[in-house]
Amino acid sequence: EVHLVESGGGLVKPGGSLRLSCAASGFTFSHAWMSWVRQAPGKGLEWVGRIKSKPDDGTTDYAEPVKGRFTISRDDSKSTLYLQMNSLKTEDTAVYYCTSGQGDDWGQGTLVTVSS
Amino acid sequence: DVVMTQSPLSLPVTLGQPASISCRSSQSLVYSDGNIYLNWFQQRPGQSPRRLIYKVSNRDSGVPDRFSGSGSGTDFTLKINRVEAEDVGVYYCMQATHWPRTFGQGTKVEIK
Repeated sequence: EVHLVESGGGLVKPGGSLRLSCAASGFTFSHAWMSWVRQAPGKGLEWVGRIKSKPDDGTTDYAEPVKGRFTISRDDSKSTLYLQMNSLKTEDTAVYYCTSGQGDDWGQGTLVTVSS
Repeated sequence: DVVMTQSPLSLPVTLGQPASISCRSSQSLVYSDGNIYLNWFQQRPGQSPRRLIYKVSNRDSGVPDRFSGSGSGTDFTLKINRVEAEDVGVYYCMQATHWPRTFGQGTKVEIK
């Protein structure tokens, strides 16, 4: 059974940084394209970014609102996905989900609150 | 970016009756390999999203057969054959043909 478990959320001041992690199990993580999706309180879903598997060149793509501030990386030896978030803004406040493939499976999410 | 437009945004339904949600894309979702990467997700209250349908009409494992997807080009539909109480939640379409991936605004399904 696939499990995706996010961690690392919390309260951070505007301009601050946070790193989220997503521990994966139940599938061959090294072969999977992985993504982060966020959901602001009471709002819809927004794709944040994606990292390809290393065999498929391991490159990343980001949505415009986070480009240059967020970085997605992966450690296949630990089956873990990361989201490094810098220069955080209040509008980044959301539940952040990691998801595999094209939304095949989702974690439970971790809440990031950006507030002074 | 590809804009995904869902309608209606709110859908009150009677238990046992059918329901239908429309999703239109601002450009064709046909990928270079000939596939259409249009997915449907369900988000029950307080839960993470769950994919129901991938590539327009393929049900994910464990999804009841009362859910079906159809469509082509830029026009897609999710149908629930007979709505059950557990179907309450918000439904999203998402295109995975173009980057960035984009979602519809969501359709809230509730019981009348």
